[in-house]
Amino acid sequence: QVQLAESGGGVVQPGKSLTLSCVASGFTFGDYAMHWVRQAPGKGLEWVAVIWHDGSKKYYSDSVKGRFTISRDNSKNTLYLQMNSLRAEDTAVYYCARDDHAKNDVFDIWGQGTMVTVSS
Amino acid sequence: QSVLTQPPSVSGAPGQRVTISCTGSSSNIGAGYDVHWYQQLPGTAPRFLIYGNRNRPSGVPDRFSGSKSGTSASLAITGLQAEDEADYYCQSYDSSLSRYVFGTGTKVSVL
Repeated sequence: QVQLAESGGGVVQPGKSLTLSCVASGFTFGDYAMHWVRQAPGKGLEWVAVIWHDGSKKYYSDSVKGRFTISRDNSKNTLYLQMNSLRAEDTAVYYCARDDHAKNDVFDIWGQGTMVTVSS
Repeated sequence: QSVLTQPPSVSGAPGQRVTISCTGSSSNIGAGYDVHWYQQLPGTAPRFLIYGNRNRPSGVPDRFSGSKSGTSASLAITGLQAEDEADYYCQSYDSSLSRYVFGTGTKVSVL
């Protein structure tokens, strides 16, 4: 069964760091680009970052550029999001999503999400 | 601030047809980038409904259809059912921002 499972969320103080993980199963992880998408409470979806299937390219939204780092370990089927200098506005559910190049790069598989709350 | 604009809400009676618009610009939809649609049921993760403007993956009822013209796209739901109550988002890529973009989201209510 094709699945993504995020973990690592929690409550963190402003200015601190947190690392999210997303473990993939049921497909060849190293064949796909992967994204992080977040959703603030009661708000819409916001794209955060993407990493190419081999990790060769990474792109970020302006709101997290310079503070967040996306990475992956294909040997462990795991995607990461290192979040530094966290702000209250980073409070959201964070989803990892698979990019299906064969289907026009739609985000075809999503994890269940992990909640990050930035609060003092 | 999203560059893809959707109506905040649409509603219809069971069995009716509703449409959701997604208005972009010449740097995203109008530039030829594909539009995808996602459904998010309350308290759950999004799932994709339509990819590449009008393609429906297996398992998605044919009541859902997508189209694209110029700088806009639309999602139509025919034969509206209670289980269709959810939030719907369009998504594309914007070349001037160099990032993936989501629409503002539309809440569909079944009266």
